[in-house]
Amino acid sequence: TQLLEQSPQFLSIQEGENLTVYCNSSSVFSSLQWYRQEPGEGPVLLVTVVTGGEVKKLKRLTFQFGDARKDSSLHITAAQPGDTGLYLCAGVTYGNKLVFGAGTILRVKS
Amino acid sequence: ETGVTQSPTHLIKTRGQQVTLRCSSQSGHNTVSWYQQALGQGPQFIFQYYREEENGRGNFPPRFSGLQFPNYSSELNVNALELDDSALYLCASSSADEKLFFGSGTQLSVL
Repeated sequence: TQLLEQSPQFLSIQEGENLTVYCNSSSVFSSLQWYRQEPGEGPVLLVTVVTGGEVKKLKRLTFQFGDARKDSSLHITAAQPGDTGLYLCAGVTYGNKLVFGAGTILRVKS
Repeated sequence: ETGVTQSPTHLIKTRGQQVTLRCSSQSGHNTVSWYQQALGQGPQFIFQYYREEENGRGNFPPRFSGLQFPNYSSELNVNALELDDSALYLCASSSADEKLFFGSGTQLSVL
């Protein structure tokens, strides 16, 4: 069974602080995706990382894929209240089926 | 707005009943996937439909069944509802191996 573990489960920080969310797997996935989900909504894709060692930036968000393609991290610089939400990592398997981690709930206080 | 619409948005059922959830995929997408998201958890893959055929199934019992129609819309049926079936049910549409677009989900409560 392929599993993805995310940490921390919950993060509460002040506006302007930096944070990192981790995603670790016992298996290798062909690619890994990060999603953000707000209450009452479905997950929205932020990024897909494919190559080991890959780094992608999306404004204040930086995503890294580990060299062995079994772990990933999401770093947010100068967090804002609008960043509040559930962050999910997902491993992509054959046929575009996703294996999700349990998620990290981020709360940014102003 | 992803173009994926699910209905109903909320539903309350009692144990033993049956439920049908509906999903309209984004225009041009021929693949629909269903996920179950329990409170405080990430979504879990139920099954996927591609051009009206089941194309993969997760670790869910046979009382979870589905259908995809010629216009690529889809239904998820759950028979003999159990309390643990209470969850947010998400539908996602895609085209081939392109990225998934999720609907807002149906919140199912089983009492």
